[in-house]
Amino acid sequence: SQQGEEDPQALSIQEGENATMNCSYKTSINNLQWYRQNSGRGLVHLILIRSNEREKHSGRLRVTLDTSKKSSSLLITASRAADTASYFCATDNQAGTALIFGKGTTLSVSS
Amino acid sequence: GAGVSQSPSNKVTEKGKDVELRCDPISGHTALYWYRQSLGQGLEFLIYFQGNSAPDKSGLPSDRFSAERTGGSVSTLTIQRTQQEDSAVYLCASSLRPYGTMAGDGYTFGSGTRLTVV
Repeated sequence: SQQGEEDPQALSIQEGENATMNCSYKTSINNLQWYRQNSGRGLVHLILIRSNEREKHSGRLRVTLDTSKKSSSLLITASRAADTASYFCATDNQAGTALIFGKGTTLSVSS
Repeated sequence: GAGVSQSPSNKVTEKGKDVELRCDPISGHTALYWYRQSLGQGLEFLIYFQGNSAPDKSGLPSDRFSAERTGGSVSTLTIQRTQQEDSAVYLCASSLRPYGTMAGDGYTFGSGTRLTVV
């Protein structure tokens, strides 16, 4: 069953703008992760935020986690055309054995 | 190896035939996962292997699907009597430590096998 839901489903911006994607989930989690996928193939792990953390940075990426609202956001600053991809959030399944992925946000950055 | 390797990268098969998909995880990674992704959809969890523990098969959609992991390394996903709805990209991932803990790691994914059932 699906745990994370990304919002919006699609986002189109210009190079240099910031992109914000949101993720909501249903049950308690150990950690939440964000992944990127190009061309419908393998996913690349971007960042992991643990349930006792509120914010994390990695380069141009900033992730926040609000466990009281069961939500997370991924901010990409100063976007580039190369950031065009699908972005997925992932959280625990009920058994705590594997990640459950949402349907993703498709980001398009035009130059 | 340096990354997760999957083979074949593409497979076209006739309806009713059996297929085997292979995954070679990163050396030393104890956990291995199979997912599938239909066109424009998110990832659907299929099965999880952790060391010598019994696998979590809760995501397998039917008894036509099975998987094994030999020697704690290479894994094979087998689909028997393939149907057109089995067409998807099958993704394998591995992680250094098992998920489900505060120390859980991110996954490293392979490039996937695109399965087309005609």
